[in-house]
Amino acid sequence: KNQVEQSPQSLIILEGKNCTLQCNYTVSPFSNLRWYKQDTGRGPVSLTIMTFSENTKSNGRYTATLDADTKQSSLHITASQLSDSASYICVVSIGNEKLTFGTGTRLTIIP
Amino acid sequence: EAGVVQSPRYKIIEKKQPVAFWCNPISGHNTLYWYRQNLGQGPELLIRYENEEAVDDSQLPKDRFSAERLKGVDSTLKIQPAELGDSAVYLCASSLLSVTEQFFGPGTRLTVL
Repeated sequence: KNQVEQSPQSLIILEGKNCTLQCNYTVSPFSNLRWYKQDTGRGPVSLTIMTFSENTKSNGRYTATLDADTKQSSLHITASQLSDSASYICVVSIGNEKLTFGTGTRLTIIP
Repeated sequence: EAGVVQSPRYKIIEKKQPVAFWCNPISGHNTLYWYRQNLGQGPELLIRYENEEAVDDSQLPKDRFSAERLKGVDSTLKIQPAELGDSAVYLCASSLLSVTEQFFGPGTRLTVL
């Protein structure tokens, strides 16, 4: 039923390394796509928001890309830090009222 | 500026007991959302308020769940009676309007024994 699929489910990388998280969606019609970071025991916090006409959006070491034709998005994290350990959730919206959340990727950064 | 406030942060109850969660949105935010997040899953919308009106409660299990936002500010979500499957994190979010960014609270982690 979930129309937003994320991969991998979990990822462990060394501090300082880069990583890329994937999001595939089938939500239609599509309004915008967001990436959220959710620390353990906290609510999600928005990292990036992209409309269907945007291909890339950066927020510091986070860069999101969007291919509306293939309905794929990725979140690239550069020079990872221990504080990047969290769940990253891809969210696709119809308008801004109806959000469809992915199941998230659990990222662990090890020193 | 204070964010979305939720209480309690944690709640452990036995099945068939009632439980209530409280949310105070960001000041001035007209739209308030309640979500349920099961372990390892993304949040799922339970109900959305525009001021004091519930405009989307299609996913709220109305046999045991109820919510209110009487003065269009803070809100309460209630479960009566709770079941084992209700164990989850209940997130509250608010936005200035329904078409603007949602800001999430820290959530209430409910454990039903």
